[in-house]
Amino acid sequence: EVQLVESGGGLVQPGLRLSCAGSGFRFNDYAMHWVRQGPGKGLEWVASISWNGGHVAYADSVKGRFTISRDNAENSLYLQMNSLRPEDSAFYHCAKDTQTYSSGAFDYWGQGTLVTVSS
Amino acid sequence: QSALTQPRSVSGSPGQSVTISCTGTSSDVGGHDSVSWYQHHPGKAPKLMISDVNKRPSGVPDRFFGSKSANTASLTISGLQADDEADYYCCSYAGTYTVLFGGGTKLTV
Repeated sequence: EVQLVESGGGLVQPGLRLSCAGSGFRFNDYAMHWVRQGPGKGLEWVASISWNGGHVAYADSVKGRFTISRDNAENSLYLQMNSLRPEDSAFYHCAKDTQTYSSGAFDYWGQGTLVTVSS
Repeated sequence: QSALTQPRSVSGSPGQSVTISCTGTSSDVGGHDSVSWYQHHPGKAPKLMISDVNKRPSGVPDRFFGSKSANTASLTISGLQADDEADYYCCSYAGTYTVLFGGGTKLTV
């Protein structure tokens, strides 16, 4: 059974690092993503990373502040979040792509971890 | 990076059909056959219903049909059931490994 379990959310710290542990599939065969949903808002794609970490991409809203990375030996995905703003408050989900490189098709999602940034 | 445009809400009676549109540009929806659709019940993880414009993952009923014409993709749900009531999001590959979501459509059955 494929499982994605996020951790690391909470009240904002100067820098916050989210983690996502994957299991039940060959983690290093697939691109991975972070997707967020703010209170009362829709889904927003945040960042993607290719199967080997060689290609990363970010939404304009987080570019220069967030960094996505992965450790295939540990079956783990990360999101380093710096210079957080109130509008970054959201549930952050990790999601598995169906392809080796980012395609926008996410066949498995984690339940999410809540990040809260006060003004 | 502007969000794809979806209607805020659609509704239908049980047994009827509804279509949700998703409009982008030639840089995203129109430029790639990588449009997907997600069903999202509050409090649950989103579920992939359609990938690559019109492919249904295993377990998704054939009542869900995806299509695309130029810069607009569509999701048609036929034979509406009560459990279809949810938020639906379109999503498109937008080049250089980036992805865009639509604003979401609330389906009321």
